[in-house]
Amino acid sequence: AQKVTQAQTEISVVEKEDVTLDCVYETRDTTYYLFWYKQPPSGELVFLIRRNSFDEQNEISGRYSWNFQKSTSSFNFTITASQVVDSAVYFCALSAGKAAGNKLTFGGGTRVLVKP
Amino acid sequence: DSGVTQTPKHLITATGQRVTLRCSPRSGDLSVYWYQQSLDQGLQFLIQYYNGEERAKGNILERFSAQQFPDLHSELNLSSLELGDSALYFCASSVVPGLAGGVNTGELFFGEGSRLTVL
Repeated sequence: AQKVTQAQTEISVVEKEDVTLDCVYETRDTTYYLFWYKQPPSGELVFLIRRNSFDEQNEISGRYSWNFQKSTSSFNFTITASQVVDSAVYFCALSAGKAAGNKLTFGGGTRVLVKP
Repeated sequence: DSGVTQTPKHLITATGQRVTLRCSPRSGDLSVYWYQQSLDQGLQFLIQYYNGEERAKGNILERFSAQQFPDLHSELNLSSLELGDSALYFCASSVVPGLAGGVNTGELFFGEGSRLTVL
């Protein structure tokens, strides 16, 4: 079975501070994909990033960066120089194994509040 | 705009009633997924269809059913509604169900959701 844990339920920062969101996943499959989604107050779910289990290279995309470490089953996400518009709930998700039927297993989400 | 359209956006109904939620996937996407987001359960996978056929089933109640039509739009039917069914129901679509041994290799594109309130 797959499981995703986001231990932080809420993070509050002041604008321009960096924010790091933690994500720990569990799966017995060797092939899997990890995702981050953003849910702004308007409610829709917006795709942010995807990594596969064979690529541990960490990247930066604009103000977003991620740290994927298979050794600790972690897939952390960082927002650099946060802005008020970054205020949202962020979900980490996992897709793994044929039996999963391609569904995404989501973590509980981390609410990020960026204050001006 | 993800390209996934869900209707209605808001729905208020009474216990015991039946409702139908509709989803139109992105153009070209063959796979449709339904998720339920409630305060106590978070985002839960309900069911997936691929090109008209059921592909995977999650924790979907027997009172709930879904189908995908030949034009690829999908409907989620919720019957004998209970207070606990109040939630945000999301539809998502993707191009293909998976390219690496059945694992979903691509992102899901989500609609804006249908907020159901059962009174």
